[in-house]
Amino acid sequence: DVKVTQSSRYLVKRTGEKVFLECVQDMDHENMFWYRQDPGLGLRLIYFSYDVKMKEKGDIPEGYSVSREKKERFSLILESASTNQTSMYLCASSFSRVTLDEQYFGPGTRLTVT
Amino acid sequence: EDQVTQSPEALRLQEGESSSLNCSYTVSGLRGLFWYRQDPGKGPEFLFTLYSAGEEKEKERLKATLTKKESFLHITAPKPEDSATYLCAVQEGSGGSNYKLTFGKGTLLTVNP
Repeated sequence: DVKVTQSSRYLVKRTGEKVFLECVQDMDHENMFWYRQDPGLGLRLIYFSYDVKMKEKGDIPEGYSVSREKKERFSLILESASTNQTSMYLCASSFSRVTLDEQYFGPGTRLTVT
Repeated sequence: EDQVTQSPEALRLQEGESSSLNCSYTVSGLRGLFWYRQDPGKGPEFLFTLYSAGEEKEKERLKATLTKKESFLHITAPKPEDSATYLCAVQEGSGGSNYKLTFGKGTLLTVNP
């Protein structure tokens, strides 16, 4: 079974703090994704990575950056957290950038910025 | 304009009462359509991928179908444990990244015993 794990289930941070969310997958997947999920807005793609050190912006990259130093690990960084970044953050991975594969999701991190 | 629209937003059924959820899409050159199930406080769980109009897939009480403009998720004789939010997502085949999914906002299904 594919397993995608996220470093925290719940996180509370203060405005202006630098926040790191980490995601690890154990199935040697090439692609990794970060989404945020908000009521009424659905899942929106922040960034994705198709290889180590490679990244592409998604639909809402402003205020975020990412890092992929190893194939299995993909980090989302909030450079200076703001209250409008309070959300559920979901990491996902998929096998290959060449074939059409389903994405497997982690359990999510509910981030509250106060 | 949303590329993926799911309806209804919420659906309440009695146990055993069959129904369908709808996902309509307006992307050009559909490469694939995905259905996911999401339980409260958890990440989405993959259910089906459909690639071309006329295709159908089944899993237990769920059956997904695809036309050129929409997909249906049919739920036959649902049980309370089928209660969840069902998400639809599409991947475009032309332009853009070939691994990006666009999600609908989901249908919240509640099945009462």
